Amino acid sequence: AQKVTQAQTEISVVEKEDVTLDCVYETRDTTYYLFWYKQPPSGELVFLIRRNSFDEQNEISGRYSWNFQKSTSSFNFTITASQVVDSAVYFCALSERLKSSNTGKLIFGQGTTLQVKP
Amino acid sequence: DAGVIQSPRHEVTEMGQEVTLRCKPISGHDYLFWYRQTMMRGLELLIYFNNNVPIDDSGMPEDRFSAKMPNASFSTLKIQPSEPRDSAVYFCASSLKGSGNTIYFGEGSWLTVV
Repeated sequence: AQKVTQAQTEISVVEKEDVTLDCVYETRDTTYYLFWYKQPPSGELVFLIRRNSFDEQNEISGRYSWNFQKSTSSFNFTITASQVVDSAVYFCALSERLKSSNTGKLIFGQGTTLQVKP
Repeated sequence: DAGVIQSPRHEVTEMGQEVTLRCKPISGHDYLFWYRQTMMRGLELLIYFNNNVPIDDSGMPEDRFSAKMPNASFSTLKIQPSEPRDSAVYFCASSLKGSGNTIYFGEGSWLTVV
């Protein structure tokens, strides 16, 4: 069965610290997608990144970077020089292949609440 | 471009009342999803549509819940009669086949049943 585990329930850091959010997944699919979403205090779910299972290159976007390691089934998210505005709940998600389609139903982890203190 | 639009953003209703949540997906998207978020169960998929046709409603908790998509730009999720345990945030989301499975979410409808 597909499953996403975010073992860190809450993380608290001081502004400018680097922080890594862990994500471990399980799937029997050979082709899948992994995602990170951000849910700020206002409540909306904001798409951050999508990673194809065939592409293990790390990705960097400004202060955000993602480390995908298929060997360990992990897709970790690092925020460099954290800021108060990064305070949010972050969800890792796995795309499960739907019936005869290539648009996947998302399996979400339980989320990691990040608090960045000034 | 407009994102997924949901209404109402917040609703407080009394137990037993009918609740209707509305969603307008991103124009051109052919998949529409309804998710529910609670503290106990996290984010869970209730139902999804492809080209306005319900494909999988196995996540719908019980017969009190129903969803429709009469056209490509509108969907409703109805709860009748509502119960306090239905209190949650309900998200509508949409995606486009071939877009790498990226699903875009609306801002959510925060439902409180008292």
